[in-house]
Amino acid sequence: ILNVEQSPQSLHVQEGDSTNFTCSFPSSNFYALHWYRWETAKSPEALFVMTLNGDEKKKGRISATLNTKEGYSYLYIKGSQPEDSATYLCATSGTYKYIFGTGTRLKVLA
Amino acid sequence: EAGVVQSPRYKIIEKKQPVAFWCNPISGHNTLYWYRQNLGQGPELLIRYENEEAVDDSQLPKDRFSAERLKGVDSTLKIQPAELGDSAVYLCASSLDPSRAYEQYFGPGTRLTVT
Repeated sequence: ILNVEQSPQSLHVQEGDSTNFTCSFPSSNFYALHWYRWETAKSPEALFVMTLNGDEKKKGRISATLNTKEGYSYLYIKGSQPEDSATYLCATSGTYKYIFGTGTRLKVLA
Repeated sequence: EAGVVQSPRYKIIEKKQPVAFWCNPISGHNTLYWYRQNLGQGPELLIRYENEEAVDDSQLPKDRFSAERLKGVDSTLKIQPAELGDSAVYLCASSLDPSRAYEQYFGPGTRLTVT
């Protein structure tokens, strides 16, 4: 993998469903992996930053895991709510800059 | 603490017109970044400033784009003349210093539409 890739590009889920997204990144020269939540017309909101293989972070109903050896991270949302509707961006940070994925656009239907 | 401020939030212009975006970073943040996000893609870095010096502008299309950060605080990104393909969201971010690039704080962005 040469770039940061996210899947799926978009998805719709029903309120109460749990869901997860994938971020794949080059495992060489890895420094940190970031997850952002970006609602339309607002600033991207930092959710997690992870650096160590096997890291797991949790914030309310949202959690994330990191595998630096195989170059992927998962973001999980448990019991999705309409207010979770947003674009979820992942990014790697190396020397001085971020490289972003294309994002996963989540729509939670009430 | 105020976050990163950007203006305008939205801008619609005709092609070949000039446009400028303004960014005020978080107080005390020496490093400032401009990103562009095209539809369906992730944000891409255009330029990075350390204080008033542009230290990475390799992705800035220099034929029509320019940027400045006078006095190492506020920054302005300009496009002249704008093209249809410049329609995008322009994000500004800041971090305390280059070593804290992993802690970037983003503004809400300026959504540019070129018609």
